[in-house]
Amino acid sequence: AQTVTQSQPEMSVQEAETVTLSCTYDTSESDYYLFWYKQPPSRQMILVIRQEAYKQQNATENRFSVNFQKAAKSFSLKISDSQLGDAAMYFCAYSGNQFYFGTGTSLTVIP
Amino acid sequence: NAGVTQTPKFQVLKTGQSMTLQCAQDMNHEYMSWYRQDPGMGLRLIHYSVGAGITDQGEVPNGYNVSRSTTEDFPLRLLSAAPSQTSVYFCASSYYGGSTDTQYFGPGTRLTVL
Repeated sequence: AQTVTQSQPEMSVQEAETVTLSCTYDTSESDYYLFWYKQPPSRQMILVIRQEAYKQQNATENRFSVNFQKAAKSFSLKISDSQLGDAAMYFCAYSGNQFYFGTGTSLTVIP
Repeated sequence: NAGVTQTPKFQVLKTGQSMTLQCAQDMNHEYMSWYRQDPGMGLRLIHYSVGAGITDQGEVPNGYNVSRSTTEDFPLRLLSAAPSQTSVYFCASSYYGGSTDTQYFGPGTRLTVL
C-alpha cells in the first residue's frame, strides 16, 4: 500500500515570513496526483494545491508553491508571506487508485 | 450548489447502538468516499464508491457498511457502535475519483461512542 509521511507534527512561522512543510510518499504506481489540504479549526478540509506526477513543472497558487521531486518521492509545500489565516493543520495526500493522507502538520503563525 | 453535505454534525451513541451517517452531494460527482479522522493519524479511507450501485472497501472498513443507490447519496452505517469508532467522519466526492481528481469534502460529523 502507498504511504504518505509528514515528519513535522508542528511548525511555526513569523507573520510575513516563509515556511516549508515536508512530505514524502512511497508508491510503485507511475500515474498519480499529490495534494496539500488545509484544515482550519472549523474542521473543513480545503484544497490548497495539487500536482500531477507527470508534470515536471512545480505547481503554484498565489503564495503557495510546491517542490516536487519525483525520483526522491518528495512533495513539500512552501508558504510565502505567511498570514495569520494560514494557521491550520496541513495534510499531504496521495491519489492513485485510492487516496492516502499523511498525519498532518500543525502550522502556527506568530504575529 | 450546496456541495457536499453531511448530517448530523454531532452524535453521541451508546455501545451497541446502530446509526447512519448521511452524505449527499449535488455536483453530479461519480466518486464518493468516507474517511475517519483520529488524532495523530490523519484521514483514513473507510469505503468508497465509483458510481451508483458500486462500492468497495478502503483501508479501515470493519464495522461499517455502505450502499450507493443514487449518484447523490452515500450513507455510512454503523451496525453496532463501539468506542473505537469514536472519531470525526468526513464524506468526500469527486467527478471520477482515482488518480485524476480533486476531492471535495463535507463539513464532518463528530461521533462519540460511550
